[in-house]
Amino acid sequence: QKEVEQNSGPLSVPEGAIASLNCTYSDRVSQSFFWYRQYSGKSPELIMSIYSNGDKEDGRFTAQLNKASQYVSLLIRDSQPSDSATYLCAVNRAAGGGNKLTFGTGTQLKVEL
Amino acid sequence: DAGVTQSPTHLIKTRGQQVTLRCSPKSGHDTVSWYQQALGQGPQFIFQYYEEEERQRGNFPDRFSGHQFPNYSSELNVNALLLGDSALYLCASSFRLAGGTDTQYFGPGTRLTVL
Repeated sequence: QKEVEQNSGPLSVPEGAIASLNCTYSDRVSQSFFWYRQYSGKSPELIMSIYSNGDKEDGRFTAQLNKASQYVSLLIRDSQPSDSATYLCAVNRAAGGGNKLTFGTGTQLKVEL
Repeated sequence: DAGVTQSPTHLIKTRGQQVTLRCSPKSGHDTVSWYQQALGQGPQFIFQYYEEEERQRGNFPDRFSGHQFPNYSSELNVNALLLGDSALYLCASSFRLAGGTDTQYFGPGTRLTVL
């Protein structure tokens, strides 16, 4: 079982629709959760962070966390063509004096005109 | 406010050579982490430096080593390069918070090609 799992996609949604991206993780001790957006050939850019169960909203983005189900999701409302990118789910766990991010393989999102 | 910077942008090496990649963290950050991202994959954690010491290490061989300087900048060294080391190398910086919840911000990356 992979530590962080995402559907690789591509996920295609029409412009203006809601895009729903999902992620599951295996380590119950994980403490914080992040969504990064990565355009082709570029580095990951932080979209959202979430630490507690429930929803966290920031503009068109909503992150949802359910620690009991070990599930994190990202909703993008009013999707725009500029949202077309790969979305990486990352899970943070502190251990041995440091902490590391463990990433999924990413979900490719395509927003179509 | 300068973000995370990395140099060089691109690098081409041959098998067996050694390479050094450099990273300057975002202003106010004291922790640097390095990741390797192969094509079509998520970034893989190499190691993390804080207070000039390696604090945590991922599943990478000893050919991968690093250093953090007093000004918090960092270097990643890879010896005896293999074809499989070709990847995007990402540096991420953060400010160390209690409980390990630091948020990491990535630099633009160094694209390493090994021929």
